[in-house]
Amino acid sequence: NAGVMQNPRHLVRRRGQEARLRCSPMKGHSHVYWYRQLPEEGLKFMVYLQKENIIDESGMPKERFSAEFPKEGPSILRIQQVVRGDSAAYFCASSPPGEGYGYTFGSGTRLTVV
Amino acid sequence: GIQVEQSPPDLILQEGANSTLRCNFSDSVNNLQWFHQNPWGQLINLFYIPSGTKQNGRLSATTVATERYSLLYISSSQTTDSGVYFCAVNSGGYQKVTFGIGTKLQVIP
Repeated sequence: NAGVMQNPRHLVRRRGQEARLRCSPMKGHSHVYWYRQLPEEGLKFMVYLQKENIIDESGMPKERFSAEFPKEGPSILRIQQVVRGDSAAYFCASSPPGEGYGYTFGSGTRLTVV
Repeated sequence: GIQVEQSPPDLILQEGANSTLRCNFSDSVNNLQWFHQNPWGQLINLFYIPSGTKQNGRLSATTVATERYSLLYISSSQTTDSGVYFCAVNSGGYQKVTFGIGTKLQVIP
C-alpha cells in the first residue's frame, strides 16, 4: 500500500508563473489536508478537502490560491502568479473517513520562487 | 482557536541519554498526534494518542487530557532521533489539526 504521494518533490517557478502541486492520498483515505511550512517554522493549516468538496479553507490566502480534490485523480493545490513569499514546503496529509485516525503525510513539495 | 505550546524549543543530547518533550494545549481535544520531522524534511507519525499511554520501541507517549498536556519520552537516544518533534491537536468536529512550533532535537555521538 503506497503512502501519500506528492509530486513534484521540488518545483522552481519564476515570479508570476503558476505552480501546481499534486497529492494522491493513501488507498482508502478520503480526507486530504494541505499544510505549508516556512523555513524554521511549524506547519500551518491551509485547506481540508473530501472528494469534490472543500470542507474548510480557512487557512488559504484569499487570492491566488485554490485547491481541489476531484472525483477522479489527485488533489491539486494551485498557486497563481507566484511571488517570492510563496517559497515554502507544502505538505499534504490524508486520513480515513471518520474519527479516531491520525494523519499520514506525504514527502512534501518544496517550492522555490525565483 | 486552540493554542499549542511545546517545550523545550531546542534540545541537545548525548547519544544514549533520555529526554522528555512536553506539549501543552489550551482546550479539550479530540485527538493528539506526535510527529517527527527528520533532517530531510519527512514527517513521520509517531503516535496517535488522545489519552493514555502508548509505547513503540524506545519511544513512548502519555496524554493527560483532563490536564491538557502530553509528554513524549525518548530513551537511549540515537543520532537518527535528531530532527524536529511536533505535537498536533484537534478540537473540532473533524480532523483539521493545529501544530505546535516543535522541539528541535540534536543527538550528538
